[in-house]
Amino acid sequence: DQQVKQNSPSLSVQEGRISILNCDYTNSMFDYFLWYKKYPAEGPTFLISISSIKDKNEDGRFTVFLNKSAKHLSLHIVPSQPGDSAVYFCAASPQDSGYALNFGKGTSLLVTP
Amino acid sequence: EPEVTQTPSHQVTQMGQEVILRCVPISNHLYFYWYRQILGQKVEFLVSFYNNEISEKSEIFDDQFSVERPDGSNFTLKIRSTKLEDSAMYFCASSEGGNTEAFFGQGTRLTVV
Repeated sequence: DQQVKQNSPSLSVQEGRISILNCDYTNSMFDYFLWYKKYPAEGPTFLISISSIKDKNEDGRFTVFLNKSAKHLSLHIVPSQPGDSAVYFCAASPQDSGYALNFGKGTSLLVTP
Repeated sequence: EPEVTQTPSHQVTQMGQEVILRCVPISNHLYFYWYRQILGQKVEFLVSFYNNEISEKSEIFDDQFSVERPDGSNFTLKIRSTKLEDSAMYFCASSEGGNTEAFFGQGTRLTVV
């Protein structure tokens, strides 16, 4: 049961341009959303989060947008840098679940010079 | 910077054997988690732990699995009788509060032969 979906398995962007990673979810009980970045053989690294009471959260080059009516969130990275190349996971949790994170399958981002 | 540490980094075990995966969460965190990632698949939630008890567990976390916080610093995952399909990367995570970002360890690669 795929409650968090990342439909693009990969994305290639030129350095300096904007990277947009998308995520859809099906569970209307989700109220906290996170993006993680993962390099091979390492654990996921937290990037940015957003709660359902907001529609935008910004941290430096990273901005997360939440559209609750569409059950959609996106991560914008601008400007993209080669060091951003990694797998990006969207995750979501419902408040009353013991805070278990439901992960998407990930999008592999490649930023080319 | 505080981090979640996991040992060992790689564990090879024979089918039917018991394994214990160890984690030291970030010291002031109150919520602890285990996740796993089978090769090529998404990161899956196993169990969350708060106030010395399991707060939630997934269908994966059956009677063969158990968790323990034996002292003030360690958090362990035990698999009583390993199966081939238990081969995966196991990630420990901790968070300060309930709906706050979880920080992940580097993972333990478990290989069951």
